[in-house]
Amino acid sequence: TQLLEQSPQFLSIQEGENLTVYCNSSSVFSSLQWYRQEPGEGPVLLVTVVTGGEVKKLKRLTFQFGDARKDSSLHITAAQPGDTGLYLCGTSYGKLTFGQGTILTVHP
Amino acid sequence: EAGVTQFPSHSVIEKGQTVTLRCDPISGHDNLYWYRRVMGKEIKFLLHFVKESKQDESGMPNNRFLAERTGGTYSTLKVQPAELEDSGVYFCASSQALTDFRGYTFGSGTRLTVV
Repeated sequence: TQLLEQSPQFLSIQEGENLTVYCNSSSVFSSLQWYRQEPGEGPVLLVTVVTGGEVKKLKRLTFQFGDARKDSSLHITAAQPGDTGLYLCGTSYGKLTFGQGTILTVHP
Repeated sequence: EAGVTQFPSHSVIEKGQTVTLRCDPISGHDNLYWYRRVMGKEIKFLLHFVKESKQDESGMPNNRFLAERTGGTYSTLKVQPAELEDSGVYFCASSQALTDFRGYTFGSGTRLTVV
């Protein structure tokens, strides 16, 4: 079982600020997925990264996979209140193993 | 396409009672997973079905939990008898392939409160 550590656990920022969330493991990931979860809903997939060094962009969200495939980051530019939620990284083969998540609150 | 449907959305039961949670996966998804999030902790895997067969049930906490997927369609997760520590949000997810880069589609969860 790969242990995933996310940081920070909580993040409270003002609208317009930038932020980065990290996901780290001592093991090599075969692939890694980022999910966002809103209250009362299940996690929703944002992106899957597979190749070391890969960078994917989804509007104001930039996802990076480390060269060694042991870490990943999610960067949000000019955060908006609608970005508020729980961000989870997960790695999978048959079953997802999640990090503990980062609770992001963006204040207007 | 219809998403993963879970019901009930909320359930409050007394310690010692029985509760059955249901999950309807996306049609055609052979893989069905149950997860649980206990307050303050990360989402943890419970078990994985491939069609009607249990592929991996290593995350099931104890024998008070019984999961079934008759006919390879919907699945139920029964807790009998429920204990206080069983409280949490139970998520179901489904996927078409074992390693699905399109991700796993989650239901909205069932919030179980045992009092």
